[in-house]
Amino acid sequence: SSELTQDPGVSVALGQTVRITCQGDSVRNYYASWYQQKPGQAPVLVMYGKNNRPSGIPDRFSGSTSGNTASLTITGAQAEDEADYYCNSRHSSGNHLVFGGGTKLTVL
Amino acid sequence: EVKLVESGGGVVQPGGSLRLSCAASEFSITSNYMTWVRQAPGKGLEWVSVIFSGGTTYYADSVKGRFTISRHNSKNTLFLQMDSLRLEDTAVYYCAREKREYSSPGDFYDYMDVWGKGTTVTVSS
Repeated sequence: SSELTQDPGVSVALGQTVRITCQGDSVRNYYASWYQQKPGQAPVLVMYGKNNRPSGIPDRFSGSTSGNTASLTITGAQAEDEADYYCNSRHSSGNHLVFGGGTKLTVL
Repeated sequence: EVKLVESGGGVVQPGGSLRLSCAASEFSITSNYMTWVRQAPGKGLEWVSVIFSGGTTYYADSVKGRFTISRHNSKNTLFLQMDSLRLEDTAVYYCAREKREYSSPGDFYDYMDVWGKGTTVTVSS
């Protein structure tokens, strides 16, 4: 089982706001990073650190952390945001990384 | 263009071996942490292994003792030697560049900012 827990599926109406969460003890000590993966494609980094977006990622994506929960928020979700989202943080051993189980985002 | 291209995937019998390669362009793998991540069919992402810029390596428990990560500095290429392969090693294998940043002295976080397109490994009898 993953040390990082994500809801398996979340849906959002087009143009509305959705929060995808990632729970785990390691998030208390290490910022999570977030990856978007569309079918048949490699993952793409969309958020890292406290609230940092790589170049090319729309500003409707934002990140936050509270206690043992990291969140990825999409404000004004678009059809192209429909994808699987994975969080990632440091394993409790501190020596390597671990992924959450992933959240399938459906845009209605 | 900063780029990673994996190769070496294929079909192998249980107990067999395979070596994956990951060629990097426009950056030096020896100046970065380099990671392998895999994804079994229909499943989520699984971290496999990392090699730090200084050469230290770590492995997921699921592959420890069977997989070896290494690099060829002058060819700017990362490798994953996979031995004693099992059915459950069937997956798409991605290489990625891992970055580490410090939020304050002693506190850091990692993320993978460049990914290859992946290479498929199928373990089947």
